[in-house]
Amino acid sequence: EAGVVQSPRYKIIEKKQPVAFWCNPISGHNTLYWYRQNLGQGPELLIRYENEEAVDDSQLPKDRFSAERLKGVDSTLKIQPAELGDSAVYLCASSLAATNNGEQFFGPGTRLTVL
Amino acid sequence: AQSVTQLGSHVSVSEGALVLLRCNYSSSVPPYLFWYVQYPNQGLQLLLKYTTGATLVKGINGFEAEFKKSETSFHLTKPSAHMSDAAEYFCAVSQNTGNQFYFGTGTSLTVIP
Repeated sequence: EAGVVQSPRYKIIEKKQPVAFWCNPISGHNTLYWYRQNLGQGPELLIRYENEEAVDDSQLPKDRFSAERLKGVDSTLKIQPAELGDSAVYLCASSLAATNNGEQFFGPGTRLTVL
Repeated sequence: AQSVTQLGSHVSVSEGALVLLRCNYSSSVPPYLFWYVQYPNQGLQLLLKYTTGATLVKGINGFEAEFKKSETSFHLTKPSAHMSDAAEYFCAVSQNTGNQFYFGTGTSLTVIP
């Protein structure tokens, strides 16, 4: 069974440039998450989708971040414009339809460096 | 509100020695608790989880953890460390409604030959 796929794995951009990350969850997983992991920290949730619907985006900085999950399968996370402080690893995870204790399966992440 | 505290951002043990990684949580409702491991440049992999039932949970790679409600703890242990155990370990707590996970800041485990 294929795991969560993310691309690109690494991205280096200059500040004020746009950047996008792509995630394909495990087949059949209705719930998709985007996390940001700063160096030396644990992942922090940015947004959670149930199918196509963003059910929790309270931690997403909406002035520069946007996300979409068209057709309820793969998802993109965009930053425009990027700032120096956005340098981090962006993790995508998926799980079966919302269960109270569902295991989340993580992709390898995209490491973003903003210069 | 949920939160997780991992005591000790770095832990070093000798190969073959006991591994003990500490996790304390705060939760206003019965928690679901998880330990994840992250190897360099990889995503997080589930080691074990506690939801209900037996408070001693066994996971992969010889790890286990015990949920102690009175101490609000969920410490991770392994009787004998192996070189391949060197990684970053994250404790996480989930509410019993929805799938919101709260992660600790992680503990980096070094295994000394």
